[in-house]
Amino acid sequence: DTEVTQTPKHLVMGMTNKKSLKCEQHMGHRAMYWYKQKAKKPPELMFVYSYEKLSINESVPSRFSPECPNSSLLNLHLHALQPEDSALYLCASSQVWRQGQETQYFGPGTRLLVL
Amino acid sequence: SQQGEEDPQALSIQEGENATMNCSYKTSINNLQWYRQNSGRGLVHLILIRSNEREKHSGRLRVTLDTSKKSSSLLITASRAADTASYFCATDDKAAGNKLTFGGGTRVLVKP
Repeated sequence: DTEVTQTPKHLVMGMTNKKSLKCEQHMGHRAMYWYKQKAKKPPELMFVYSYEKLSINESVPSRFSPECPNSSLLNLHLHALQPEDSALYLCASSQVWRQGQETQYFGPGTRLLVL
Repeated sequence: SQQGEEDPQALSIQEGENATMNCSYKTSINNLQWYRQNSGRGLVHLILIRSNEREKHSGRLRVTLDTSKKSSSLLITASRAADTASYFCATDDKAAGNKLTFGGGTRVLVKP
């Protein structure tokens, strides 16, 4: 199995809602990532998990809360989001985290719209 | 500002033609990668070139790296409509906290 899966594919939520994004990989990778991508822009790193521990938090607002329950799963919990948080949220994984030198495998993304 | 800046921002070619895009970066790197993204989808890794390599091939892809000029190019030969996508270079940016940092991307349209 060489793919990263993400659910849901699309999500519409109000600013008072709580929702979660889910990411899963079964490649035995020990590093997982969350990115945010706005239209016609490159992905921006949000979080890096290495061996289920949070290694990088790119000063992301606390309304985004990541969780890595085990080596195959990565969640992103969303609460009290703003309309400007609407974007494509991408999950990625790599064998290990090599400080930017790793090849990353991306999921198809969750398209989030905050109303 | 981004570690990688890509040129051109957009490229439109006919099927069968070659497509060339460039990436420039600012700090020293250990390697440089190229990724492809089809519209609204995830990124797909294409090729990785190490700082001690000058050229690398993979199928119809040819990547060059000039560390003295801090630049790389991606050539797609004999393009196909399926090559229509955005292409991003990515580097390990020591100045940005040792994370994989993506350039602005080149949007390529291959017309049948």
